[in-house]
Amino acid sequence: SAVISQKPSRDICQRGTSLTIQCQVDSQVTMMFWYRQQPGQSLTLIATANQGSEATYESGFVIDKFPISRPNLTFSTLTVSNMSPEDSSIYLCSGGESYEQYFGPGTRLTVT
Amino acid sequence: GENVEQHPSTLSVQEGDSAVIKCTYSDSASNYFPWYKQELGKGPQLIIDIRSNVGEKKDQRIAVTLNKTAKHFSLHITETQPEDSAVYFCAASDTGRRALTFGSGTRLQVQP
Repeated sequence: SAVISQKPSRDICQRGTSLTIQCQVDSQVTMMFWYRQQPGQSLTLIATANQGSEATYESGFVIDKFPISRPNLTFSTLTVSNMSPEDSSIYLCSGGESYEQYFGPGTRLTVT
Repeated sequence: GENVEQHPSTLSVQEGDSAVIKCTYSDSASNYFPWYKQELGKGPQLIIDIRSNVGEKKDQRIAVTLNKTAKHFSLHITETQPEDSAVYFCAASDTGRRALTFGSGTRLQVQP
């Protein structure tokens, strides 16, 4: 299994600003992903963070809004850019070496 | 793309009873089916998973069954305890993409 940590755990941000969320895995993993979860809702995939290449985004999510970095096999960042209240959500990263994916505790973002 | 449907959305059982949560998927290419438990304020925790070459898998009080022909899979929890109370998500993925498509979640409440 993999243990995943995220920073920050929560933040309150002003409209129009950007926030970078960090995701650290305790072991090298091939796959890392970023998901969004609205309170009380299910998880929606934002993108696959590819090591050494650009992230692969799902429909409805674009690189300009959610730039992702993956500099090595244990770390990734997600930036939420030019935030609006609609971006208020929980952002989760996950990672795994094989089929299994393990999740971080999430970053609870509130945009005012 | 893949679509995963989950039901029921809420489930209330008495302590000691069994609980069953059902999911259906649409993409025949999906071959990995994990179940996650999410407690309030935490990230999803992988509790059990099954691959498409297996029909059933057990881990103590938890079991998962898979019917590939019908494209549905189920989570069975026996001898439920109050600490089983949480939101449970099913998910599906395929070997190539690995990204998870989640069901809508089931809120399980175990009454002591």
